[in-house]
Amino acid sequence: QVQLQESGPGLVKPSETLSLTCGVSGYSIRSGYFWAWIRQPPGKGLEWIGSMSHSGSTYYTPSLKSRVAISENTSKNQFSLKLTSVTAADTAIYYCARHEGLFLVALDYWGQGSLVTVSS
Amino acid sequence: SSELTQDPAVSVALGQTVKITCQGDSLGSYYSSWYQQKPRQAPILVFYGRNNRPSGIPDRFSGSNSGNTASLTITGAQAEDEAEYYCSSRGSSGNQVIFGGGTKVTVL
Repeated sequence: QVQLQESGPGLVKPSETLSLTCGVSGYSIRSGYFWAWIRQPPGKGLEWIGSMSHSGSTYYTPSLKSRVAISENTSKNQFSLKLTSVTAADTAIYYCARHEGLFLVALDYWGQGSLVTVSS
Repeated sequence: SSELTQDPAVSVALGQTVKITCQGDSLGSYYSSWYQQKPRQAPILVFYGRNNRPSGIPDRFSGSNSGNTASLTITGAQAEDEAEYYCSSRGSSGNQVIFGGGTKVTVL
């Protein structure tokens, strides 16, 4: 059974960098699939942040591309999200998830989500 | 454009059928996927592609596509189907993923 679990600070100061890690169990991230980050501001809808292929290629949403980086730590079977220069607008529940491809994107496994609040 | 449009809310009587729609240019080229999200829970995939339902999802959930519109139908809605439903697809302007704004389904 594939499981994903987000971890990281729940509070980040404005202008600093948000860093989250997604630990994956039950499947090796190097074996296949894409590994994604999605966020959801309180009371609002879902927003795709970006995805990383199993070979390390990355794809980001245009509105965040200048501030975001997704990377892998294959030795720990984890992938990470870094979002720089955060503001209150980046306050959200951050989810990590898996999907099979970029043509038909079906996010079949999700983490439980990690609430990150941006505040001084 | 890279937008998906959903009706904000819809209601259905217990045991009846409800159809949730999602409109967007990208749906003319790419299949959609549908997610159910209950309060304080992560989304779960309920339908995707031309005709794919993940294991464990009841067969009362079905999907269809026509032109720039994708639909999710719940046939015989149950109380536990009350949730927010989001559509998603690849964006038409490149390697990106887009979500609709969500439809709140209330089961009366």
